[in-house]
Amino acid sequence: GDSVTQMEGPVTLSEEAFLTINCTYTATGYPSLFWYVQYPGEGLQLLLKATKADDKGSNKGFEATYRKETTSFHLEKGSVQVSDSAVYFCALSPPSSGSARQLTFGSGTQLTVLP
Amino acid sequence: NAGVTQTPKFRILKIGQSMTLQCAQDMNHNYMYWYRQDPGMGLKLIYYSVGAGITDKGEVPNGYNVSRSTTEDFPLRLELAAPSQTSVYFCASSYSPGNTIYFGEGSWLTVV
Repeated sequence: GDSVTQMEGPVTLSEEAFLTINCTYTATGYPSLFWYVQYPGEGLQLLLKATKADDKGSNKGFEATYRKETTSFHLEKGSVQVSDSAVYFCALSPPSSGSARQLTFGSGTQLTVLP
Repeated sequence: NAGVTQTPKFRILKIGQSMTLQCAQDMNHNYMYWYRQDPGMGLKLIYYSVGAGITDKGEVPNGYNVSRSTTEDFPLRLELAAPSQTSVYFCASSYSPGNTIYFGEGSWLTVV
């Protein structure tokens, strides 16, 4: 079945440091890939997505590129802020098959950014 | 901008009790989902619905029931609560397969 493997956390960085959170997936065909962010005490919010190979999703200074050859979708940000402290989830949605396209989530990576 | 609304936000249940987590969305979405999130884990799908009157099991349906009598509402019923059901529950919705899935703020449930 489909699966998502994320870099284990927690990750602690200083403000303005470079961030990479690794994500690899196993799926048949060409799934859609997502990064969700969960701030403390809140639900998940879509951060960015990519729907086909070589697409780059970007939002709020974060970006991730859909790499079919390495089955990866690593999240990056050039300069993190304290407000980026959250849990980040990588997820995939299988190609449309006529049924509900359910998300498969990774286990999440806790990011703490120190001032 | 209500989006997906879940109630209650927090609840403590005793073993064997029953309760219903409510979920409502005002975006006219066809697809609705219930997930649970255990500590340090990703979300696992409990049940989902593709429209009013249609529901189906997800990855971890045991101990739960759902109904979808209207497009807006998708309640999750816990029968005979067990400690293993201590978790954070998220309701979500989307317009159609492949569209962005919107999440509620979560319901923290503890079974003691």
